[in-house]
Amino acid sequence: AQSVTQLGSHVSVSEGALVLLRCNYSSSVPPYLFWYVQYPNQGLQLLLKYTTGATLVKGINGFEAEFKKSETSFHLTKPSAHMSDAAEYFCAVSHYGGATNKLIFGTGTLLAVQP
Amino acid sequence: KAGVTQTPRYLIKTRGQQVTLSCSPISGHRSVSWYQQTPGQGLQFLFEYFSETQRNKGNFPGRFSGRQFSNSRSEMNVSTLELGDSALYLCASSTGTGANTEAFFGQGTRLTVV
Repeated sequence: AQSVTQLGSHVSVSEGALVLLRCNYSSSVPPYLFWYVQYPNQGLQLLLKYTTGATLVKGINGFEAEFKKSETSFHLTKPSAHMSDAAEYFCAVSHYGGATNKLIFGTGTLLAVQP
Repeated sequence: KAGVTQTPRYLIKTRGQQVTLSCSPISGHRSVSWYQQTPGQGLQFLFEYFSETQRNKGNFPGRFSGRQFSNSRSEMNVSTLELGDSALYLCASSTGTGANTEAFFGQGTRLTVV
């Protein structure tokens, strides 16, 4: 069975500091991996996704993530945090080769950005 | 291009009642998935519909059901509501052509059961 683990339910950084949100996955087949962001009382918005090919994926709002198969990780980073980045971030996995669009989500990381 | 529209945004129901939530996907999208989000359980997959057929189902009791219409609009129904059904219900639409395609989420319906 596939699963996703997000280390750290709350992360706090200073404005301008590096953002690092951790995600590890478990999958017996090559996974598709996603990062979504959720602002208060809103739905989820896709930041970036890894399917195949280049392991360093660039997304919107300056975020990027690197797929590391040997570490089963897909950590999300941003060089310099902005106040507007404060939100909850979810890592998700979907089944490679499947016809379904079912996503399995991690428990989320709430990012706080201090001025 | 209009996004995913969920109605209503907020609902308050009494235990034992039933409720129907609606989701209009992005034009041209044939897959609609439903998720339940709660503070305790996080985001959990309820079911997915593709071209009016349920393609996948999560681990929820039979009180949770759904359907999809020929125009891809979807509804989910919860019967005999329990307090624990209070949650944000999110709908996601996609082209449905593969597991690597992006899912676009609506703003959700917040259901409160009292």
